[in-house]
Amino acid sequence: RKEVEQDPGPFNVPEGATVAFNCTYSNSASQSFFWYRQDCRKEPKLLMSVYSSGNEDGRFTAQLNRASQYISLLIRDSKLSDSATYLCVVNTGRRALTFGSGTRLQVQP
Amino acid sequence: ETGVTQTPRHLVMGMTNKKSLKCEQHLGHNAMYWYKQSAKKPLELMFVYSLEERVENNSVPSRFSPECPNSSHLFLHLHTLQPEDSALYLCASSQTQGNWDSPLHFGNGTRLTVT
Repeated sequence: RKEVEQDPGPFNVPEGATVAFNCTYSNSASQSFFWYRQDCRKEPKLLMSVYSSGNEDGRFTAQLNRASQYISLLIRDSKLSDSATYLCVVNTGRRALTFGSGTRLQVQP
Repeated sequence: ETGVTQTPRHLVMGMTNKKSLKCEQHLGHNAMYWYKQSAKKPLELMFVYSLEERVENNSVPSRFSPECPNSSHLFLHLHTLQPEDSALYLCASSQTQGNWDSPLHFGNGTRLTVT
């Protein structure tokens, strides 16, 4: 099993849709979880941290399910500008954060 | 000053050249990283310097050699690279404490082409 696993997509959704991504991780001792966004040929940028109780930032909601070892990202009212690759990042117990392979989102007009 | 700066932004080198990538962070973090991103592949961790300890990925070839003279500066020395080493090389920093990490802050990356 990969340390951090994501559905690569692509997810093609119309503007205004709600879309959700999941990410599973293998190390039950992981403590740090993040969602990053990466645009084509650019560096990843932090979208939001994921807290145990779940957290929301505008149209974005992140949740952590420790029992099933996954995190999720929900995007409401999708905008064209949300089109990007969304990367799940988890502390895997080594002194490093491990990235998932990313889920590509394409929001269509 | 932006948080993490990398130079150069673009680099073209021949297989017999020696070059170095430079990274500097102005965030007061205690860990710095090199990641490699090849086309259509996930980010691969190459090296970590954390609390003055180097953690490396054993699959990184010896033609890549990191150097971390202090907590703010990180280099990646390159020699006798192969065309398949062409990729985006990203430097990042974070604050780490035990099993807890702050988010990674990335530089803009160096796009490397090996001819």
